[in-house]
Amino acid sequence: NAGVTQTPKFQVLKTGQSMTLQCAQDMNHNSMYWYRQDPGMGLRLIYYSASEGTTDKGEVPNGYNVSRLNKREFSLRLESAAPSQTSVYFCASSVRGDQPQHFGDGTRLSIL
Amino acid sequence: RKEVEQDPGPFNVPEGATVAFNCTYSNSASQSFFWYRQDCRKEPKLLMSVYSSGNEDGRFTAQLNRASQYISLLIRDSKLSDSATYLCVVNEGSGNTPLVFGKGTRLSVIA
Repeated sequence: NAGVTQTPKFQVLKTGQSMTLQCAQDMNHNSMYWYRQDPGMGLRLIYYSASEGTTDKGEVPNGYNVSRLNKREFSLRLESAAPSQTSVYFCASSVRGDQPQHFGDGTRLSIL
Repeated sequence: RKEVEQDPGPFNVPEGATVAFNCTYSNSASQSFFWYRQDCRKEPKLLMSVYSSGNEDGRFTAQLNRASQYISLLIRDSKLSDSATYLCVVNEGSGNTPLVFGKGTRLSVIA
């Protein structure tokens, strides 16, 4: 069982470069989420998609865009990367919003 | 914004000890409650759901107190492998609204 798969696992970018983080789930979940987690900090929700065809802003959406490509896939795009976006990014999915979320193993992104 | 509050710790306990964490939530309409575990540099993983009647899974017991709006996690006979950050997670009362994650309580079990 793959669960939630994130690619890439590691990436180094230069300031101003663009990048798309990919996420796919094989659990037939309706809802998907993108979080960032900085060292020693809690999870912060960037964007979420309650169902296929919908996306909504979370706590820290600035500098990011998302696409719910289909029920399985939810991508996160950084159009012009900034050093403040250096973080670990987690994708998660759930059957619906009030049910447990299952996480991918993260993308470690460094922006120089 | 609705809040989920946890004592960040760290809680440093010897092997075999019993340790308890509390978590308070602000939305009285919340219906779903969970405890997650996160190891260093890893993704959060569901530890257990918290039901109105409580929930026990081996050495772990979770309780819900709706009147005081808190949930608790009790770990008995602590193991070194229990060392992790424990996240309290609460929904905001609507089926499609994302869960709210607390910032976590760090536990270190010492030999």
